[in-house]
This record gives sequence, structure tokens and C-alpha cells, in this order.
Amino acid sequence: GAVVSQHPSWVICKSGTSVKIECRSLDFQATTMFWYRQFPKQSLMLMATSNEGSKATYEQGVEKDKFLINHASLTLSTLTVTSAHPEDSSFYICSARDQGTSGTLFTYNEQFFGPGTRLTVL
Amino acid sequence: RKEVEQDPGPFNVPEGATVAFNCTYSNSASQSFFWYRQDCRKEPKLLMSVYSSGNEDGRFTAQLNRASQYISLLIRDSKLSDSATYLCVVKAGNQFYFGTGTSLTVIP
Repeated sequence: GAVVSQHPSWVICKSGTSVKIECRSLDFQATTMFWYRQFPKQSLMLMATSNEGSKATYEQGVEKDKFLINHASLTLSTLTVTSAHPEDSSFYICSARDQGTSGTLFTYNEQFFGPGTRLTVL
Repeated sequence: RKEVEQDPGPFNVPEGATVAFNCTYSNSASQSFFWYRQDCRKEPKLLMSVYSSGNEDGRFTAQLNRASQYISLLIRDSKLSDSATYLCVVKAGNQFYFGTGTSLTVIP
């Protein structure tokens, strides 16, 4: 399957710091990427849908000024947690949808997840 | 009402047992259905898609019932390595909706 990378894999920072997380599709182009957050023992929660070349679409309750998303190219989306606080500590996972030329419906619909970034804010 | 609902479990089953998970979805216009597996502190990974006719992959069988709006996953001859959280995922339009996941522990 396609490969999605995330960087960094973990980060510990002080309260008030801004943290940038990168999500890259390594062997395919992704016009759409998704950002999720997962708290311990809970399911993934979609934060926003990142569209290449346009503004991200945020889910209800997610502050767009706090979680800045930039999708500047077909292989890179970034999530910046601005002025992070301890309650922002979580596992952040991105995913990308392969819209390549394989032609199969299955490939078009599948999401490929990055390995996640564990953020701890002290 | 949640878009996708799953029994969170936990399911604790002995090795070799057969276990079944169900998942219901609320949007009748949902187009695609998936089961993902997530190990602790790892990202979800696709286990299998769910086709209208039902599909099988080794010990795993997935079924879809559009009329009742539920999907199921059956695991036969459970292995210790099957211990994980199983996420039901439903795609409607451009959105993917996740269930809360069902925790499975296979006991020796």
C-alpha cells in the first residue's frame, strides 16, 4: 500500500509553545489529507480535512486559529498547534487518500495513515 | 446519534475461539465500508474492505447489510496476535466516519 510519513513522531514542549507536525505522502499524490486526534482509549476524532491549494475544512468545535493547517503541495500537509496547552496533549494522526491512476475503486477510497505524532505539553 | 456505532468491548476470548463484531451506521447514503485494526499507540491499518456480497480473507470474514445498515467482522480460530482494537469505518461523500473501536484480547 501507499506510504504516509509523519514528523516528528513524538514531541514534548512547554505550555505556550507552537508545534508543527508534517504529514507526507511518499509515493503518491494526495489532494486531500485528514488530520485526526486520538485521546487514550478513545477513537479517532476528525479535526479537519486538508485540501491542496485551498483552505482546510474544520470540524465543529475545532478552532481553526489554534490548529493551523497548510496543504501547500500534493505530498505535504502541516498541522501547527499554536500556543499549545496541556489539554492539547494527544496522539495526532494524519491520513491521505490515494487518488492515483490505479483505477480501482478500492484504492480510491482507502485512507493511508501516518504513524502518528504523540504530543505532550508540560 | 453517532454516525457509526460499535460495541467498545472489551472482548476477551481464548485462543482458537471465533469472535464477531458488529457496527451500525446511520447514513443510508454511505458508500464504502472498512474494517481497520489499530494496535496500542500505533496508527490504524486497513484490515479489509467490506463488499456488498461479503468477502473473506483467511480467517477474517466481513459482511454488509445495507437494509439494516450494519457491517460485521468475523474472526475464526483467534490468534494471540489478533489482540488489537478493531475500528469500523464508513465513508459517506468525502468524509470517513470512525466507530469508537472494539477492543479484542485473545488469551492463551
